Amino acid sequence: DTAVSQTPKYLVTQMGNDKSIKCEQNLGHDTMYWYKQDSKKFLKIMFSYNNKELIINETVPNRFSPKSPDKAHLNLHINSLELGDSAVYFCASSQRLGAGDEQYFGPGTRLTVT
Amino acid sequence: GENVEQHPSTLSVQEGDSAVIKCTYSDSASNYFPWYKQELGKRPQLIIDIRSNVGEKKDQRIAVTLNKTAKHFSLHITETQPEDSAVYFCAASIPGNKLVFGAGTILRVKS
Repeated sequence: DTAVSQTPKYLVTQMGNDKSIKCEQNLGHDTMYWYKQDSKKFLKIMFSYNNKELIINETVPNRFSPKSPDKAHLNLHINSLELGDSAVYFCASSQRLGAGDEQYFGPGTRLTVT
Repeated sequence: GENVEQHPSTLSVQEGDSAVIKCTYSDSASNYFPWYKQELGKRPQLIIDIRSNVGEKKDQRIAVTLNKTAKHFSLHITETQPEDSAVYFCAASIPGNKLVFGAGTILRVKS
């Protein structure tokens, strides 16, 4: 069984469009995250939710809006896509936030904005 | 906030040799230090971690050391194999807070 899954795996779209990425975890974890990995491989946290509540909101443009309908799902909606949004977006989950629990990553969504 | 620096950015070793990757962190309150391995096109996966009450931890060919006084920790891989080739990330976490990742080290093991 896949622990953390994301859809779609690849997303190619034009500037100005709006797109969503979905994430689901079946580990029963309380905390979920969105990370952005740029072309230089740097992993940067964007958001963290704990039991559907937004806990961490890094300096991310407000074009990015996460939504957690329940603690097993965390979706990411991006409005007015820009070239600089091209990256791999990883969803992750852990049992608790900041308690030294392993983070389990999804397979990633490669977003290409043309 | 926490800042994690990682060196080197790339590392090439001959198969069978050892590889060492070093990280420093800024916040003395950090108490959890994991290492993640990311193979090409794959997701990051935890390979080993260490907590602040331990100085060294070993798992087969992989070991991690922590020096809290100097605020640095290192990953050691012995008898490297081609399948060790990947990007390795260190990270540090303050209790109740997010993980902060280093910039990553591309390890190439030449056979």
